[in-house]
Amino acid sequence: EDKVVQSPLSLVVHEGDTVTLNCSYEVTNFRSLLWYKQEKKAPTFLFMLTSSGIEKKSGRLSSILDKKELFSILNITATQTGDSAVYLCAVEAYGGATNKLIFGTGTLLAVQP
Amino acid sequence: GAGVSQSPRYKVAKRGQDVALRCDPISGHVSLFWYQQALGQGPEFLTYFQNEAQLDKSGLPSDRFFAERPEGSVSTLKIQRTQQEDSAVYLCASSPWTANTEAFFGQGTRLTVV
Repeated sequence: EDKVVQSPLSLVVHEGDTVTLNCSYEVTNFRSLLWYKQEKKAPTFLFMLTSSGIEKKSGRLSSILDKKELFSILNITATQTGDSAVYLCAVEAYGGATNKLIFGTGTLLAVQP
Repeated sequence: GAGVSQSPRYKVAKRGQDVALRCDPISGHVSLFWYQQALGQGPEFLTYFQNEAQLDKSGLPSDRFFAERPEGSVSTLKIQRTQQEDSAVYLCASSPWTANTEAFFGQGTRLTVV
């Protein structure tokens, strides 16, 4: 059965800290791995990764994929209170009429002032 | 509209009641997805539309769940005879392509069955 596992489940840090969120997966027909930030309810897209070892970067956020070891990390440097959210990792798998997204349970990040 | 719009934002239903949840995707988006997100869990796929065609409904948990997108734009997810285990946030997402890549999510509808 396909699965995506995120760790830690939750994390509390202080402003300015650097955090690393982990995502491991066992998915057949892997196409890509995506990271989302979920505040309140709507997940918003952060990154899509398809190739191993190529870092994607957006401001203080960066992410990298290891397709051999089947994991990805999301780094956030110099955290701010506005980074507080649930971070979801999802794997897109080929199949059927469309490619499905298989989500992890998320990491709840709380950044304290 | 500017984004994916879902209504209502919150719905409380008595057990056994039927509910209808609406999704207005971004104009022109071909693909529309419904997900169910239980408390403390990640979203789980329910069903997929490409224009008006429902091409995948493998994630619908039972025959009490029904979705339609008759004109290839607005979609409705209907749940008949609601049960407590149906309580969740129902998310809709749309994409201009026939894949999930960079799909845009709505704010969701939080359904509570009492």
